[in-house]
Amino acid sequence: AQSVTQPDIHITVSEGASLELRCNYSYGATPYLFWYVQSPGQGLQLLLKYFSGDTLVQGIKGFEAEFKRSQSSFNLRKPSVHWSDAAEYFCAVGPGNTGGFKTIFGAGTRLFVKA
Amino acid sequence: DAGITQSPRHKVTETGTPVTLRCHQTENHRYMYWYRQDPGHGLRLIHYSYGVKDTDKGEVSDGYSVSRSKTEDFLLTLESATSSQTSVYFCAISSGTENEKLFFGSGTQLSVL
Repeated sequence: AQSVTQPDIHITVSEGASLELRCNYSYGATPYLFWYVQSPGQGLQLLLKYFSGDTLVQGIKGFEAEFKRSQSSFNLRKPSVHWSDAAEYFCAVGPGNTGGFKTIFGAGTRLFVKA
Repeated sequence: DAGITQSPRHKVTETGTPVTLRCHQTENHRYMYWYRQDPGHGLRLIHYSYGVKDTDKGEVSDGYSVSRSKTEDFLLTLESATSSQTSVYFCAISSGTENEKLFFGSGTQLSVL
């Protein structure tokens, strides 16, 4: 079965420091991968997505992610974190390739930003 | 922002009572989803719909039913609410193409006492 693993439940980063959030997936074919962000009390918003082509994808708010097939990973990065980036981040697989147009989410990583 | 409205935004109910949550969209998207969000579990799919009167189960469908009589409305019903169904419920929509993103509502906080 398809699955998504986010190994880090929470991460604390100093403002201005770089950030990398990890995501590993399990799927036999080429996955469709997404990163979403959730601010407190809000729904999820798409940061970026990968489905083919260049393995380094750019998203909103200065985020990027790199698809590495050999490592089954799709890690999210940002060179310099801002206090407003504090939120919960979800990696996801699908829809379409999970069967029945279902998007499967990881458990999420909560990002704390310290001054 | 995508036009998705969830109602109610907050609800407190008692164990054993029926509860219905409503999701309304103005985007005319074909696909609609209900997820629940719990700490440590991320978002888990309860049910989804791929058209009017066409629905299917997700990974945590036990204790839930859904209905979609119109393109714009997708209802989630807890026939007899239990404390384990205390959660935040999110509705999402998409156009349904393989690489299409989901648009999310603002969520419903449900507490079952």
